[in-house]
Amino acid sequence: EVQLVESGGGLVKPGGSLRLSCAASGFTFSSYSMNWVRQAPGKGLEWVSSISSSSSYIYYADSVKGRFTISRDNAKNSLYLQMNSLRAEDTAVYYCARGFYCSGGSCYYDYWGQGTLVTVSS
Amino acid sequence: EIVLTQSPATLSLSPGERATLSCRASQSVSSYLAWYQQKPGQAPRLLIYDASNRATGIPARFSGSGSGTDFTLTISSLEPEDFAVYYCQQRSNWRTFGQGTKLEIK
Repeated sequence: EVQLVESGGGLVKPGGSLRLSCAASGFTFSSYSMNWVRQAPGKGLEWVSSISSSSSYIYYADSVKGRFTISRDNAKNSLYLQMNSLRAEDTAVYYCARGFYCSGGSCYYDYWGQGTLVTVSS
Repeated sequence: EIVLTQSPATLSLSPGERATLSCRASQSVSSYLAWYQQKPGQAPRLLIYDASNRATGIPARFSGSGSGTDFTLTISSLEPEDFAVYYCQQRSNWRTFGQGTKLEIK
């Protein structure tokens, strides 16, 4: 069974940093593109970042470029999101999602974790 | 950036009725469109990809159609568990989501 389990969310002050993790199991992690998608409270879905299976290709939404860094460790079946210079508008549930039917770095998302809440507030 | 506009924002129907949800793209996305279902407190679930292909385990009452700029998700006969928020997403040019349609019980 495919499982994605996020961790690392919490309350952080504006300008602060946080590192999210996603532990994957039940599939060959090193064969799949992985992604972060977020959802602000009561709002819709927003793609944040993607990383290819071998980390060769990395993409960011303009809203987080230069502040967030995606990475992965295929030996540990883990995905990460380092978030720096956090802003109030980064407050959201952050989902880890597996890429499906990808092309040119753009994917659908066939499995999602349960999400981890990041709250940026003073 | 391709903008996806979903309509209606809210759809009120009864179990057993047919639901038709729309997603319109600001420019052609060919058939590179997916639909997701999200229930409160849960992660989204992939229903349809490439406009008309059902994802693994998705019941046959869910179907997708369209190409270019106009897409439709149809639920042929609503079950109680189908009341949720539905999002479309394109992967033709970068990746964007629609703002969602809330399907509520009438």
